[in-house]
Amino acid sequence: GEDVEQSLFLSVREGDSSVINCTYTDSSSTYLYWYKQEPGAGLQLLTYIFSNMDMKQDQRLTVLLNKKDKHLSLRIADTQTGDSAIYFCAAADGGNTGKLIFGQGTTLQVKP
Amino acid sequence: NAGVTQTPKFRILKIGQSMTLQCTQDMNHNYMYWYRQDPGMGLKLIYYSVGAGITDKGEVPNGYNVSRSTTEDFPLRLELAAPSQTSVYFCASSYSKGGAGDTQYFGPGTRLTVL
Repeated sequence: GEDVEQSLFLSVREGDSSVINCTYTDSSSTYLYWYKQEPGAGLQLLTYIFSNMDMKQDQRLTVLLNKKDKHLSLRIADTQTGDSAIYFCAAADGGNTGKLIFGQGTTLQVKP
Repeated sequence: NAGVTQTPKFRILKIGQSMTLQCTQDMNHNYMYWYRQDPGMGLKLIYYSVGAGITDKGEVPNGYNVSRSTTEDFPLRLELAAPSQTSVYFCASSYSKGGAGDTQYFGPGTRLTVL
C-alpha cells in the first residue's frame, strides 16, 4: 500500500523561506495534500496539487511535485512565527474510498 | 456551516470502560473517517464510511466499532478501553472520491486518556 514519509523537524528564522519535503510510494495517487496542525487543534487544509501538475503557487505557498521521483515539497516564503506548526503531507490512495495516507508530520519551528 | 463537530473534547476513562465519540458534519458529505493520532506520529485510519449504512475497516480497527445510520453522523464506539487507546481522535469528512472531492475536512479532535 501507499507509504508517505517526511522529515520530522525543521527550524528556520523569521523572514527566511521554509522547505518541507515529502516522499510517497504509490504513483497512482491522483492528488497530494498539505495540511497544517496548530497545537491542540485539528488539521487544516493548506493546499493540494493534482498529479499532472509540476507546481502550484498560492500566495506564500509553493508546492513542487516531482512525479518521477515521487517527491513533493512545500515552500513557505517569508516564514512568520505564526507558521510554527506541524505540517502533514497526504496522498490519495488511488482507490475508490477517498482515503488519504498521511506522513508522520514535520514540526516547523520559526525563531524570531 | 459548523463543518465537522466532535464531542467530547476531552475524556478520561478507566480501563475496561466503554464510551462513544460523537462526530457530526453539516456539509452533506458522503465520506466520513475516524483517525487516531498518537504523540509524535501521523494519523492512522481506524474506520471509514462511504455513505449511510456502509462502513469499512482502516489500518487500526481493533477495539473500535462504528455505525453510520445517517449521512450526518458517524459515531465511534470504544469497548473495554485499554491504555493503548490513549490518543487524540479526529473525525473527518469529504464530499466524494476522486479529484478534489478527496479533500478531507477535520473536526477539532477528542483527547482521550485511559488510566
